[in-house]
Amino acid sequence: AQSVSQHNHHVILSEAASLELGCNYSYGGTVNLFWYVQYPGQHLQLLLKYFSGDPLVKGIKGFEAEFIKSKFSFNLRKPSVQWSDTAEYFCAVNAEAGTALIFGKGTTLSVSS
Amino acid sequence: DVKVTQSSRYLVKRTGEKVFLECVQDMDHENMFWYRQDPGLGLRLIYFSYDVKMKEKGDIPEGYSVSREKKERFSLILESASTNQTSMYLCASSLPIQGRAGELFFGEGSRLTVL
Repeated sequence: AQSVSQHNHHVILSEAASLELGCNYSYGGTVNLFWYVQYPGQHLQLLLKYFSGDPLVKGIKGFEAEFIKSKFSFNLRKPSVQWSDTAEYFCAVNAEAGTALIFGKGTTLSVSS
Repeated sequence: DVKVTQSSRYLVKRTGEKVFLECVQDMDHENMFWYRQDPGLGLRLIYFSYDVKMKEKGDIPEGYSVSREKKERFSLILESASTNQTSMYLCASSLPIQGRAGELFFGEGSRLTVL
């Protein structure tokens, strides 16, 4: 069965610090990968996605993620975080067309100004 | 603007009550999903549906059932609510196209408390 592992439960950073959130998945075949974000009091929304092609994908608000197939990883990065990036971040994977998305347990990011 | 609407934002029910959570989407999406979100556990899939009258069990279907009589509506039913079903319930929808099936549009969530 597919699974998604997020390494950090809670990350605390100061504004302008760099961010990297780890995500690993377990599945040997072709996967589609996603990062979702949930800002305080808001619904979950798509941050970025990887289907195929360039393994470095860019999303909204300056976020990017790199797919490393050999490591089964899809880490999220941002060079300089802002206070408004405070949110919960979820990595997710679906392995085949039409299968449901499997989510990791989430990482809470707190950014202090 | 795309929209997934969950009928109740907050519910308080008693143990043993039957609970209906309704979800409607206006995007003509084939796929619809019910997740529950709990602190430290992330999102766990309860049930999903690829088409009208179709349903598939997710990772934690026990104690739940679903109904999809119309394409735009997907209902989650707790036949006899229990305290361990106190949670935030999230409905989502997506297109069925490969890969795009993972681009979920979420509702605001329904926070259920079972006393």
